[in-house]
Amino acid sequence: DTGVSQNPRHKITKRGQNVTFRCDPISEHNRLYWYRQTLGQGPEFLTYFQNEAQLEKSRLLSDRFSAERPKGSFSTLEIQRTEQGDSAMYLCASSFSGSSYNEQFFGPGTRLTVL
Amino acid sequence: AQKVTQAQTEISVVEKEDVTLDCVYETRDTTYYLFWYKQPPSGELVFLIRRNSFDEQNEISGRYSWNFQKSTSSFNFTITASQVVDSAVYFCALEADSWGKLQFGAGTQVVVTP
Repeated sequence: DTGVSQNPRHKITKRGQNVTFRCDPISEHNRLYWYRQTLGQGPEFLTYFQNEAQLEKSRLLSDRFSAERPKGSFSTLEIQRTEQGDSAMYLCASSFSGSSYNEQFFGPGTRLTVL
Repeated sequence: AQKVTQAQTEISVVEKEDVTLDCVYETRDTTYYLFWYKQPPSGELVFLIRRNSFDEQNEISGRYSWNFQKSTSSFNFTITASQVVDSAVYFCALEADSWGKLQFGAGTQVVVTP
């Protein structure tokens, strides 16, 4: 296992289109997080899963955003009717709740550009 | 409310100089964790160090060291004898929830020139 992977790495779409991103966490990690990072800013929390349960969603996650984690493995983040303001880097991270360290391992991100 | 402030936007140094990055945090929780992450030009966030609120002992790990002072809510990070490969954006982060949600600062760009 080489770490958290995210696909695609880059996505260019036209305003109004739907997009879906995928995150594959480290296999033994039961926690999965989505963050969004805009240029010149730190990552901002979007949502969190423990196993397959989505336990918290940020106010940043409007009703156009939906995230799933079926079977507690990979996760998908879908954005419907994209807007130019959705352009950002979308980061996925995973961790293991049984670890005393609770270190989150981040994936390389998916850079979304909405034209 | 939780907040992390990194007042330094960019720091430029010449190789072998020391670099100290400032981080000030706000939280009402008595139990929390503080982190430093590095984001090189490739974009992937890399975990560097973690500290819990009960342990103010400052430590050194290789070329990295940190100074945690609860009285001033500061968690500063120092790179000793900087190298060109240290060029990156460094983020300070606060975790005050039991399930690990991180609150990041805006980051400090470190530029190390030969």
